[in-house]
Amino acid sequence: EAGVAQSPRYKIIEKRQSVAFWCNPISGHATLYWYQQILGQGPKLLIQFQNNGVVDDSQLPKDRFSAERLKGVDSTLKIQPAKLEDSAVYLCASSLGSNSPLHFGNGTRLTVT
Amino acid sequence: GENVEQHPSTLSVQEGDSAVIKCTYSDSASNYFPWYKQELGKGPQLIIDIRSNVGEKKDQRIAVTLNKTAKHFSLHITETQPEDSAVYFCAAEGSTGNQFYFGTGTSLTVIP
Repeated sequence: EAGVAQSPRYKIIEKRQSVAFWCNPISGHATLYWYQQILGQGPKLLIQFQNNGVVDDSQLPKDRFSAERLKGVDSTLKIQPAKLEDSAVYLCASSLGSNSPLHFGNGTRLTVT
Repeated sequence: GENVEQHPSTLSVQEGDSAVIKCTYSDSASNYFPWYKQELGKGPQLIIDIRSNVGEKKDQRIAVTLNKTAKHFSLHITETQPEDSAVYFCAAEGSTGNQFYFGTGTSLTVIP
């Protein structure tokens, strides 16, 4: 089966600019996640979708981050305006449901200068 | 929420030796524990998982043990090879369902 697809792979922007990431989950996976992984740390959940509804966005900095999953398939994560501390790898993952593992994409490495 | 601790943060072993990584969790209601391997420039990849109804699971050179009473689980890699070098993450599924909490990772280096 095809894995989780993410684009772009790399992005370099200046602080205060905006950026968007795209994710296409594994076909049939109802649950989609966005994680932030800062260098040397484990993934930290930003937002979790079940189909096109938000399950958990408690860790999402809503003043600058937004995410949507229209039609319950693809998802986009946006940062506006970016800060230096947003430099990280943004990982998208999908899952069939409870007690099922996460399947990760290869991530987007964001550098904010 | 769930709190997952992982040790050690770095581990170096000689090729052919065994490697053990340990994790503890806080939520006694958690019942699913996957392990991920992350290579440079890639996303984490699932290598083995265990559910709370079993105490041990093995897949070739990789095994995972779970002690629900003590709330800890471990990854064991035997006969290590250079290609095992990577960062390994443990995770626990929270009791609210399908939310995963990750350890801080172990950087494993296998010395040829």
